[in-house]
Amino acid sequence: GDSVTQMEGPVTLSEEAFLTINCTYTATGYPSLFWYVQYPGEGLQLLLKATKADDKGSNKGFEATYRKETTSFHLEKGSVQVSDSAVYFCALSDLSSASKIIFGSGTRLSIRP
Amino acid sequence: EAGVAQSPRYKIIEKRQSVAFWCNPISGHATLYWYQQILGQGPKLLIQFQNNGVVDDSQLPKDRFSAERLKGVDSTLKIQPAKLEDSAVYLCASSLVDFDTGELFFGEGSRLTVL
Repeated sequence: GDSVTQMEGPVTLSEEAFLTINCTYTATGYPSLFWYVQYPGEGLQLLLKATKADDKGSNKGFEATYRKETTSFHLEKGSVQVSDSAVYFCALSDLSSASKIIFGSGTRLSIRP
Repeated sequence: EAGVAQSPRYKIIEKRQSVAFWCNPISGHATLYWYQQILGQGPKLLIQFQNNGVVDDSQLPKDRFSAERLKGVDSTLKIQPAKLEDSAVYLCASSLVDFDTGELFFGEGSRLTVL
C-alpha cells in the first residue's frame, strides 16, 4: 500500500542555517504530495503542496519539489528562524486510495537562537 | 472564519471505561475525518465521512470504536471499552468536496490518556 517515509528527528539547527528534511514515498498511482506543519500547541496546517511531477510547492520560505524519478519530496529552507521550530509531516493523497491523506511519522525541528 | 472545533481537549480515563469526542467542522465542508495520532507517530486515518455517509473506515477498530455524523455536520467518535493502547491525540479534520485541493483543516485535537 501507499506509504511515506521521512527522516527521523529531532533536528536541531542554529538560526539562519540551511534546512533539509527528507521525504520519500511509495504509491500505486499518481499522488499529490504535501508538507503539513504543527506548531507547539496548535493543530496541523498545510504548509505547501505539489500535485504532479516536477511541481514545486513553496510557502513561508519553504520549498519542496515533486521528484517522480526518485519518489521524493524533500523540504528545504535557505535560512531558518526560531519561529520555524515545529513538527513537520510529509503526506500524500492518492485518488486510487479513496483520496485519504497518508502521513509520515513527523520530524521535530528545533532552532537555536 | 471559524476553524474546526473539538472537545474535550484533554480526557483521562481508566481502561474499560468509555469516552466520546466531539467535532464541529468548518461550515460548508462536506468531508470530515477522524485521525488517531500516537505519540511519536504521524496521524492515522480512522474514518472519513462525506456528508452523512462513511467513505472509508477500514482502519477503525470496530469492536470498540464507533463514529457518527448526524445531519452531515457535527461528528462524535466513541471508544468503549478503552484500552491502554488507545492513549493518543484524536484529531478531527474537514475539507471541501473538491479533494484535489488537498488541504485538510485540523482541529487542535483531543488528548486521551488511558490508565
